[in-house]
Amino acid sequence: DAKTTQPPSMDCAEGRAANLPCNHSTISGNEYVYWYRQIHSQGPQYIIHGLKNNETNEMASLIITEDRKSSTLILPHATLRDTAVYYCIVRVPFKAAGNKLTFGGGTRVLVKP
Amino acid sequence: NAGVTQTPKFRILKIGQSMTLQCTQDMNHNYMYWYRQDPGMGLKLIYYSVGAGITDKGEVPNGYNVSRSTTEDFPLRLELAAPSQTSVYFCASSYEGVGEAFFGQGTRLTVV
Repeated sequence: DAKTTQPPSMDCAEGRAANLPCNHSTISGNEYVYWYRQIHSQGPQYIIHGLKNNETNEMASLIITEDRKSSTLILPHATLRDTAVYYCIVRVPFKAAGNKLTFGGGTRVLVKP
Repeated sequence: NAGVTQTPKFRILKIGQSMTLQCTQDMNHNYMYWYRQDPGMGLKLIYYSVGAGITDKGEVPNGYNVSRSTTEDFPLRLELAAPSQTSVYFCASSYEGVGEAFFGQGTRLTVV
């Protein structure tokens, strides 16, 4: 699975959009981009995933660049409850790969009032 | 529908003791995983299973054993506890393919 690079930390203001970058310059054509978050030592929580098209769900939007070497997770209206560590993961979601998730260091996001 | 359930939530072990961390899921997922997370660090994969009777090593398997006799259960065994195994342990499950993984709430283990 391709390695990802994320900033170690970032702050954002409550009510504003939070834009979390992720670099995955060695991503291969069949690897998906996944985002998870972990709130204060709880188990990680799935947010969103995509291959090459932009994706949106009730939690967030995922923007993947055309060359797929980077992506941005957007939390449209950050709340204090969005304070967490956010993990960007790229992987091949096929049976032969064991469907494994490999976690890096993530970005520690602090939402401030 | 409880999702992924881990027991116990907390445990203190003495060096050399053994214990089993329990994990069960009620979503009929064929894939299950054990991760550990040391303070301030990301999660590291210990073992995983792609179905009953099939297990494989992850990134940090030394000092641990697993078994998968049923789809629902994936216990993690520590045979001779060492201080280096002090960590938070997370169990997860997923359905094969492009789906999301569901995590339990963790077991906080301290070895003294």
